Amino acid sequence: EDQVTQSPEALRLQEGESSSLNCSYTVSGLRGLFWYRQDPGKGPEFLFTLYSAGEEKEKERLKATLTKKESFLHITAPKPEDSATYLCAVQAGQTGANNLFFGTGTRLTVIP
Amino acid sequence: EAGVTQFPSHSVIEKGQTVTLRCDPISGHDNLYWYRRVMGKEIKFLLHFVKESKQDESGMPNNRFLAERTGGTYSTLKVQPAELEDSGVYFCASSQGTGTGKQFFGPGTRLTVL
Repeated sequence: EDQVTQSPEALRLQEGESSSLNCSYTVSGLRGLFWYRQDPGKGPEFLFTLYSAGEEKEKERLKATLTKKESFLHITAPKPEDSATYLCAVQAGQTGANNLFFGTGTRLTVIP
Repeated sequence: EAGVTQFPSHSVIEKGQTVTLRCDPISGHDNLYWYRRVMGKEIKFLLHFVKESKQDESGMPNNRFLAERTGGTYSTLKVQPAELEDSGVYFCASSQGTGTGKQFFGPGTRLTVL
């Protein structure tokens, strides 16, 4: 059965304290792995797409990486405005399956 | 460019009543998705429209849920009759290309069934 597990569940960082969020997956036929950010009361907002092991994507203080079993979202020198829930999602299986399969997310709090 | 909009933002109904949720996707997006997040759980897929056709409805929990997308524009999700376990946040998302995981989400409708 397809599974996406995110850790930790919650993370508190001091401003400027770098860290990484983990997304491990067990799916049949990975077609893509996606990172989203969700602020309270809002819908998920797209951040990155990763398609194959070894791929990396960067945006401001965020960098996403992918291996055959997991993805990391590295946050370098975070700021309070980076506080949000970060969601990992996968697309897997046959070509017609376009839906996203989400993990439960990591709730990040960055303290000034 | 206007984003995905959903109405209402909150709905509180009694068990056994009917509720209809509406989603307006980004203009020009042929693909429209419905997802649901039950408290404490992950966001789960419900169904996918391409224009007015249901491409995949494998995530619909049972026949109390009916989704429509007449004319390939806005979509409605009706729950009839509502049960306690239907409570949660219902998200709508849209995308331009079929098969892309880059989806644009609305703010969600929080449904509470008492």
